[in-house]
Formats: sequence, structure tokens, C-alpha cells
Amino acid sequence: DIQMTQSPSSLSASVGDRVTITCRASQGIRNDLGWYQQKPGKAPKRLIYAASSLQSGVPSRFSGSGSGTEFTLTISSLQPEDFATYYCLQHNSYPVTFGGGTKVEIK
Amino acid sequence: QVQLQESGPGLVKPSQTLSLTCTVSGGSISSGDYYWSWIRQPPGKGLEWIGYIYYSGSTYYNPSLKSRVTISVDTSKNQFSLKLSSVTAADTAVYYCARGDTFDPWGQGTLVTVSS
Repeated sequence: DIQMTQSPSSLSASVGDRVTITCRASQGIRNDLGWYQQKPGKAPKRLIYAASSLQSGVPSRFSGSGSGTEFTLTISSLQPEDFATYYCLQHNSYPVTFGGGTKVEIK
Repeated sequence: QVQLQESGPGLVKPSQTLSLTCTVSGGSISSGDYYWSWIRQPPGKGLEWIGYIYYSGSTYYNPSLKSRVTISVDTSKNQFSLKLSSVTAADTAVYYCARGDTFDPWGQGTLVTVSS
């Protein structure tokens, strides 16, 4: 199985901060990666697909980059509604696997 | 737009079989455009893919659960279902259904507790 190592596991940030979350794959996955946001008590919501394509309706402050084994989700200016847990997902190889999650908390 | 809704018992006894159904609205499973997936999340923990099914009935399961999982589809009802046998407390989780192998969108999720 491909292991997805997500870092950090949690972070504290202020409104307006630039936030970066990283996912590393244990082997190359091309750009077969998505990023998901999950708020407490809610289902995850896809933000980014194909590593860098913004899901329709998602604010442009979210962006994704990377290919191969290293991927990044960036929030350019953190907003109050962005405090949540973020997960990456690789779908290059069976079984698909998620990263462990990054909880973004208010500083 | 497509919406998914999970349904089924919220409490299952140990050693029994967990059964859930996902009803799809706003789109047809039979269109053949997507796989249809199940994912779970134990309380306070991360996400685990369970498996997915194509409208034709082809299935792919997580090897870690494969011996206990069956996913089926009923195109006439626009539903797909999950059965997980021989459950233990470790199977207590919120169970989600989702469209595709990249999971968009998701159902709201349903908590299943395994307890006697």
C-alpha cells in the first residue's frame, strides 16, 4: 500500500495567515491526489483534485501543488470558516489511501 | 446536483453483520460514469476507504477488510449497499458513501456503534 504522510498533524494560525500543509507519498503517484476539508460533525468536502485543480465553488485562496511524491495545500489568507481538519487522498494505486489529517486551529 | 444519503441501523451487536444502504438522487448509478464508494471514520480518527462498486457490479475492496466486506448495487432503486460481517467494537465508526473513486460528493454519514 502507498503510505501518505501528512504534516503537520496540527497547527495553530490566525485569521489572515498563510497556511501550508504537506503530504508525502511513499512512492510516486503522478498527480493522482486530492485534498479534502472536514468540519466537526460534517462529511469531508473535496477542495482540490488532480493535485492542483480547484473544485468548483471552492474559494481561490485554496491552492494545491506538487507531483510525484510531494504535495502541498496552501491557504493564502486563512478565514474563520477554514478552521477544520484537512486530508489528502491518493488514488493512483489500489488501495486508495488517506493521509492522517491536519487539524487547523485558531491561535 | 447529485446527493447521497446513508441509511441503516445505528447499533449492531458484536459478531453480527453491519448493513447500510446509500440512496443516490440527482444522478443515475447506471450512467456508468463513476464508481460508488464506502468510507468510514472511527470516532476521533482518520478516514479509511472500505471499497467501491461499478454499476455493472464490479467491486474493489480494501485488502484490510476484504474478507468481511460485500458491496452490492441495485440500479432499479438507484442504491448501493454495504455489508460488513463479524463486527467488533473496532468497527464502530461513521460510515460515509460517496461518488467516484475520488469521493465527491459525500453523504452526510451515519454513526454505527458495535455494542452488546
